[in-house]
Amino acid sequence: EAGVAQSPRYKIIEKRQSVAFWCNPISGHATLYWYQQILGQGPKLLIQFQNNGVVDDSQLPKDRFSAERLKGVDSTLKIQPAKLEDSAVYLCASSKETATVTGELFFGEGSRLTVL
Amino acid sequence: GESVGLHLPTLSVQEGDNSIINCAYSNSASDYFIWYKQESGKGPQFIIDIRSNMDKRQGQRVTVLLNKTVKHLSLQIAATQPGDSAVYFCAENGNTGFQKLVFGTGTRLLVSP
Repeated sequence: EAGVAQSPRYKIIEKRQSVAFWCNPISGHATLYWYQQILGQGPKLLIQFQNNGVVDDSQLPKDRFSAERLKGVDSTLKIQPAKLEDSAVYLCASSKETATVTGELFFGEGSRLTVL
Repeated sequence: GESVGLHLPTLSVQEGDNSIINCAYSNSASDYFIWYKQESGKGPQFIIDIRSNMDKRQGQRVTVLLNKTVKHLSLQIAATQPGDSAVYFCAENGNTGFQKLVFGTGTRLLVSP
């Protein structure tokens, strides 16, 4: 079974530029998550999709971050304009469960963003 | 607010020893907990989970203990191997109804041969 795919693996941009990350979840997984992991910290949830609908985006900085999951499969996360504090690894995860409190999340390898 | 913390940022052990990684959580409404392992440059990988109606669960070389009275979670790794070197995160769901995990800051496990 193929895992969660993310691209690009690394991205370096200057502040105020824009960047987009792409995620392809495991086939058949209804739920998709984007997490932000700042160096030395645990992952922090940015947004959670169930199929193509948003179920939680309470921690997404909506003035600069946006995400979509068209057709309930692939997802993109965009940052515009980027700030220095956005430097982090952006992790995508998926899970097969829908409305449930349990279940394993499968993470991709992440996209490391450096903002100069 | 919700917070999940770890007692020790770094744990160093010798190969073959047993390792114990601790985690404190603050949300008494959480009813599901997971341990993840994250190797350098990779995403977190599921190790073991436990529901709040249990106090112990065993996997292959790993055991998770849950003490709801003091809101404490621990991960025990038996016969630790160099391949176990990684950062370990505990996470709780906060009983949110949907799967919304809150991660702790992590403990780095260093295993010396």
